[in-house]
Amino acid sequence: KAGVTQTPRYLIKTRGQQVTLSCSPISGHRSVSWYQQTPGQGLQFLFEYFSETQRNKGNFPGRFSGRQFSNSRSEMNVSTLELGDSALYLCASSPDRQETQYFGPGTRLLVL
Amino acid sequence: GQNIDQPTEMTATEGAIVQINCTYQTSGFNGLFWYQQHAGEAPTFLSYNVLDGLEEKGRFSSFLSRSKGYSYLLLKELQMKDSASYLCAVREDVRGSYIPTFGRGTSLIVHP
Repeated sequence: KAGVTQTPRYLIKTRGQQVTLSCSPISGHRSVSWYQQTPGQGLQFLFEYFSETQRNKGNFPGRFSGRQFSNSRSEMNVSTLELGDSALYLCASSPDRQETQYFGPGTRLLVL
Repeated sequence: GQNIDQPTEMTATEGAIVQINCTYQTSGFNGLFWYQQHAGEAPTFLSYNVLDGLEEKGRFSSFLSRSKGYSYLLLKELQMKDSASYLCAVREDVRGSYIPTFGRGTSLIVHP
């Protein structure tokens, strides 16, 4: 069974731009969670989608948004990028609840 | 919000046993997770505890005491490949939303 895939793997943007990241979960998994990882703040939870609905949300500003499609693929969007948004963005999928999550390789975003 | 504490770094010898502690403070505990993360890679799920006690899975075991806000990850028969960062994460029920918060991770160095 193929693992979680994320595209693109690397991305360079400038301040003020917006970016969309994509995550394809493991086949049959309906839950997709997004995380931000930085050296300064560590790993932080952004939000979780389940059956096309945002089920849980972390403490991030509204510039960070996401959605999930009927095939469980998910996208995350960050608008009006700031330098501090430079990070590794990870998505994780699980069959139903969050207990066992499988992480993708991440998208490394650099904001200049 | 919550506070999660785990040691920054630990060293151990190949073949030995090491215990990584994690303490937390939360008002809406809803589960504790341990992840392993090798440098430059995504986290890998190790264990999930929601009830008090010990969960054993091969060379790895995880213990939880909810009353003490304490957990540990026990690694037996250490191998060089166990050198990695170990992340403790506590899931909190915040007004019906399940929010996982991660510790900063414990960097484990296994030497021959």
